[in-house]
Amino acid sequence: GAGVSQSPRYKVAKRGQDVALRCDPISGHVSLFWYQQALGQGPEFLTYFQNEAQLDKSGLPSDRFFAERPEGSVSTLKIQRTQQEDSAVYLCASTASLGRYTDTQYFGPGTRLTVL
Amino acid sequence: GENVEQHPSTLSVQEGDSAVIKCTYSDSASNYFPWYKQELGKRPQLIIDIRSNVGEKKDQRIAVTLNKTAKHFSLHITETQPEDSAVYFCAAIPDDKIIFGKGTRLHILP
Repeated sequence: GAGVSQSPRYKVAKRGQDVALRCDPISGHVSLFWYQQALGQGPEFLTYFQNEAQLDKSGLPSDRFFAERPEGSVSTLKIQRTQQEDSAVYLCASTASLGRYTDTQYFGPGTRLTVL
Repeated sequence: GENVEQHPSTLSVQEGDSAVIKCTYSDSASNYFPWYKQELGKRPQLIIDIRSNVGEKKDQRIAVTLNKTAKHFSLHITETQPEDSAVYFCAAIPDDKIIFGKGTRLHILP
């Protein structure tokens, strides 16, 4: 079946603009994660959803970052008033199980955000 | 909090030779250690993982070893092939947090 998809794949924003990044997890996957990957670094955890519930948002770097998954499937990561330090690849991953890290995480291709 | 150190940051090996990437972690509560491979411009993919109740796991040319006492785990790739060229990330999971290492860029030389 289809894997995790993300859109857009590339986004260029002017500093101060708002952006919305979309993640379509594998159908039926309960758990969904967002990560931020800076150039040359490993992914850093942002937030975690179990179905529609956001159980952990401790990795969100500031209150400009907001994520939602209202129907327990598609998720959107929104960044308000983007700044240059927000430039990174934003990865989404999903797993079939309720246990957060007890199951293989399937990553999407990422959205590369460049803030000018 | 947990800290994961990964070494080396870059590794070049001749095709056919073995490659070893090492990671150390700080939180003794970590009990699950996955390894991801990320080819240029592509998504990370899980290649192997190990849980704290075993010391070694193999899958064809890939193996992972875990030393809980020393808090380190290693990825071993034998008989390397050109398609092994990628960035490899280790990770540790303590208390429902996943912490990735900074990655190792592996180059397979012809």
